[in-house]
Amino acid sequence: GESVGLHLPTLSVQEGDNSIINCAYSNSASDYFIWYKQESGKGPQFIIDIRSNMDKRQGQRVTVLLNKTVKHLSLQIAATQPGDSAVYFCAENFSGGYNKLIFGAGTRLAVHP
Amino acid sequence: DTAVSQTPKYLVTQMGNDKSIKCEQNLGHDTMYWYKQDSKKFLKIMFSYNNKELIINETVPNRFSPKSPDKAHLNLHINSLELGDSAVYFCASSPPGGLTDTQYFGPGTRLTVL
Repeated sequence: GESVGLHLPTLSVQEGDNSIINCAYSNSASDYFIWYKQESGKGPQFIIDIRSNMDKRQGQRVTVLLNKTVKHLSLQIAATQPGDSAVYFCAENFSGGYNKLIFGAGTRLAVHP
Repeated sequence: DTAVSQTPKYLVTQMGNDKSIKCEQNLGHDTMYWYKQDSKKFLKIMFSYNNKELIINETVPNRFSPKSPDKAHLNLHINSLELGDSAVYFCASSPPGGLTDTQYFGPGTRLTVL
């Protein structure tokens, strides 16, 4: 079935360290991927996206890596800050799916001072 | 502020009641969505409307009926509420253009059915 493979583990990091959140997706036809950040009591907030014709994309302090061979996506956050504490979701989409995002279960990032 | 907004933010009601959640976006987007997030944080799409036309209808009970009076609004009406309907419901919208576009989410409505 359709799935983006994230359970809901917790990643604990020290403030200032780099964080890496991983995601495995299942649909090899997916051609668009998004990372969202969800803080407590709020809606998912767009962080960064990548299309399948790229394998890396950088934003401000964040980098997304896409490995289509093994259907793997990762989000790297540089110099993690307390404000980065949230649940992070990856989502996949494919152009034949009417912009239907398939979300994984999320990873909780806990940043400790 | 340009955003996706939802009302109410919290909704507590008894089983069997009928309730509605409203969503509005002032981003000029053509497509709007409803998602359900369960207690384990899993987000699943329910419906999608493009220019007031239903384009995605996942396997959702008939008790759920979306209504789009115009492309800036997508409301969700739920009949005969059940305990299992308790969740956080998110509205989202995406800009016109391709079939794969970033979706922008509202703040959510936490529905509790007693």
